[in-house]
Amino acid sequence: ILNVEQSPQSLHVQEGDSTNFTCSFPSSNFYALHWYRWETAKSPEALFVMTLNGDEKKKGRISATLNTKEGYSYLYIKGSQPEDSATYLCAFWAGGTSYGKLTFGQGTILTVHP
Amino acid sequence: EPEVTQTPSHQVTQMGQEVILRCVPISNHLYFYWYRQILGQKVEFLVSFYNNEISEKSEIFDDQFSVERPDGSNFTLKIRSTKLEDSAMYFCASSDTGDSRETQYFGPGTRLLVL
Repeated sequence: ILNVEQSPQSLHVQEGDSTNFTCSFPSSNFYALHWYRWETAKSPEALFVMTLNGDEKKKGRISATLNTKEGYSYLYIKGSQPEDSATYLCAFWAGGTSYGKLTFGQGTILTVHP
Repeated sequence: EPEVTQTPSHQVTQMGQEVILRCVPISNHLYFYWYRQILGQKVEFLVSFYNNEISEKSEIFDDQFSVERPDGSNFTLKIRSTKLEDSAMYFCASSDTGDSRETQYFGPGTRLLVL
């Protein structure tokens, strides 16, 4: 059974703070790591797909890094805004599991206070 | 921007009843998926579907579950005889290819409550 863990489970920050959270995954048999942003009552929104060790991706104020050797990815938000409040999910695609089986972490719930 | 849609947004049913959850994937996508999230738990994979066949399914996806692409646009998940433990948010997703680097686009989910 693949274990994907995210920490912290929840986070409260003030507007303007920068923050980061972690996704840990099995370091063997790595194919890809997906990050999603999920606001209540909306569709989970794809942020990044990360595939190479050392990958660093950026989308506006959000960026992510990947370390496949030690099995973790960090998501960073610079200068958090209230509209960044959401659940951030990571999902791992293991080698040997074909056809789209993403294994999700439990998510980090971010609340940004004005 | 194309999006995955799901209907209904909420469904309440009695234990033992059949339910059909509907999804309209992004129109040029070829791979389709169902996931679910039981309240307080992780999102978990149920099934993937390509070329009118199930490609992979999890141990959750037993004989009570079935999927179908009845026409060129809809993708459905049927639960034949619902149990209390089937209460969850059910997500449909689609992707252009089945490659690990390909983004899966999710719908907003159907909240199913089995009483």
